Amino acid sequence: DTEVTQTPKHLVMGMTNKKSLKCEQHMGHRAMYWYKQKAKKPPELMFVYSYEKLSINESVPSRFSPECPNSSLLNLHLHALQPEDSALYLCASSHRQGNIGYNEQFFGPGTRLTVL
Amino acid sequence: KNQVEQSPQSLIILEGKNCTLQCNYTVSPFSNLRWYKQDTGRGPVSLTIMTFSENTKSNGRYTATLDADTKQSSLHITASQLSDSASYICVVGMEYGNKLVFGAGTILRVKS
Repeated sequence: DTEVTQTPKHLVMGMTNKKSLKCEQHMGHRAMYWYKQKAKKPPELMFVYSYEKLSINESVPSRFSPECPNSSLLNLHLHALQPEDSALYLCASSHRQGNIGYNEQFFGPGTRLTVL
Repeated sequence: KNQVEQSPQSLIILEGKNCTLQCNYTVSPFSNLRWYKQDTGRGPVSLTIMTFSENTKSNGRYTATLDADTKQSSLHITASQLSDSASYICVVGMEYGNKLVFGAGTILRVKS
């Protein structure tokens, strides 16, 4: 299995809702990432987990709460979002944290989030 | 400032033709350079990854070059197909930490 899967593919939520995005990989990767991508813009890093521990939070608002329950799963819990949070949310994984050598990041297909 | 600039912003070519996309970077310290293909509304898919010591790498009809002295890279697509229509993103990995510096991408449209 050489892919990163994300669910749901699409999500529409109101500003008072609580929802979660899910990401899964079975490549034995120990680093997992959340990115946010607005239309026609490059992805922006949000969080990095390394060996199930949060290692980087790029000053993301607390209405986004990441969770890594085990080495294969990564969740992003959403609460009290704003319309400007509407975007494509991408999950990625790599063998380990860092960019040395061929430490490739594999991306999932993304979740298209719309906040009303 | 660490930046990756890509040109052209967009490109339209006829099916079967070749094209070359450009990437200039000012990222330091440099670790590696990656080219990704991203279809609309989908996640990026890796095409090539090159480290400092490599100056060319191929993946089927895609050939990437890297000149670490001039800090330039190119992605050459041979015999283009309609399915090549996508955004092509140049990404530079910094040696320390986890930062990937993304270019804005080149939108390629292949017409029949």
